[in-house]
Amino acid sequence: DADVTQTPRNRITKTGKRIMLECSQTKGHDRMYWYRQDPGLGLRLIYYSFDVKDINKGEISDGYSVSRQAQAKFSLSLESAIPNQTALYFCATSDLRGNQPQHFGDGTRLSIL
Amino acid sequence: AQTVTQSQPEMSVQEAETVTLSCTYDTSESDYYLFWYKQPPSRQMILVIRQEAYKQQNATENRFSVNFQKAAKSFSLKISDSQLGDAAMYFCAYRRGNFGNEKLTFGTGTRLTIIP
Repeated sequence: DADVTQTPRNRITKTGKRIMLECSQTKGHDRMYWYRQDPGLGLRLIYYSFDVKDINKGEISDGYSVSRQAQAKFSLSLESAIPNQTALYFCATSDLRGNQPQHFGDGTRLSIL
Repeated sequence: AQTVTQSQPEMSVQEAETVTLSCTYDTSESDYYLFWYKQPPSRQMILVIRQEAYKQQNATENRFSVNFQKAAKSFSLKISDSQLGDAAMYFCAYRRGNFGNEKLTFGTGTRLTIIP
């Protein structure tokens, strides 16, 4: 089983719909992150959480919200989806040690029509 | 704010040859970490190699090695004996070294094509 699991893997929806992307991890990491990947722009940070009670905005948080339901679960919501939120979304986790990499899920490809 | 620049959107190399992907970064920090991630068509993000800024020795992982030039703020990835499975997007990433700053800043990526 994957250490970082994202659901759904793919999603097509319509403008104005509320969408939730879910992420769960079995690595026991405190740190969890949501990134968005767009062609030519790399990955950009949407939100991150250092523990259940600590949520922080990243560089592109407008139009998104998150919930850290437990140490192992971190969900990303689009309250009213718009077409320019069409992208590949990644969840990642890490521990405290600086030289340790972030571990990524397999991504959710979201298309908003 | 830190920035990471990958100036080569696309690169290609003959199978079994060597290729170097470039990455530069801008930071005022002295303690930080650098990473190269590979994203094959399966879209997974796979760690290739990492480098601690306080280490002068360049990191190596089998056919993958880096040329870390701290003063020049350069962190290039060399792939030796290129294989078809190396075809992917490659992302350079930076993170600050101090506690509480584990988030990554990514470059825009380089798409590597392997020519059989």
